[in-house]
Amino acid sequence: GDSVTQMEGPVTLSEEAFLTINCTYTATGYPSLFWYVQYPGEGLQLLLKATKADDKGSNKGFEATYRKETTSFHLEKGSVQVSDSAVYFCARYLGGYNKLIFGAGTRLAVHP
Amino acid sequence: NAGVTQTPKFRVLKTGQSMTLLCAQDMNHEYMYWYRQDPGMGLRLIHYSVGEGTTAKGEVPDGYNVSRLKKQNFLLGLESAAPSQTSVYFCASSRGQEETQYFGPGTRLLVL
Repeated sequence: GDSVTQMEGPVTLSEEAFLTINCTYTATGYPSLFWYVQYPGEGLQLLLKATKADDKGSNKGFEATYRKETTSFHLEKGSVQVSDSAVYFCARYLGGYNKLIFGAGTRLAVHP
Repeated sequence: NAGVTQTPKFRVLKTGQSMTLLCAQDMNHEYMYWYRQDPGMGLRLIHYSVGEGTTAKGEVPDGYNVSRLKKQNFLLGLESAAPSQTSVYFCASSRGQEETQYFGPGTRLLVL
């Protein structure tokens, strides 16, 4: 069925390291794809999105490219900061329905 | 512009008690959603609404009821709380179908 799979965390990095969080999905058609971020004790915030194949979403130094060939939407950042420590969720809509399907989340911890 | 707000922030219930969680949005969004977040499971959709006076079931609707009497409010009710309903509950809203969802800060519920 339709699903979103993220790499398991936690991911622990030093400040200024390169970040990749993998996300793959199964789908019929080409749903919009999203990355949300959840800081400790807060709700989810939209980080970036892509609405069609080959689109690149970007925000706050984070990027993700919608790749239909590999059904992936990996999140990347060239140089992470301590303030990026959070849980990151990949998500997509279930085609034709009003349901946003989330991955399980990947916790990122960045140390100085 | 407060976005999406939720009350209460935290609540402790005894098994069998009832309660209502309130979600309010000031963005004039048509669609509203209730999710629950459990460790390692991402967010799961409980119920949603595509407009005032409408509601629909999501992935995990059992044990919950909802109402959308006013466009800006979406209420989630637990008629007889169970320990399995211990979770963090998030409300979200969106302008329309498959549009970006904006989340509230969450309500932490503990059922003893």
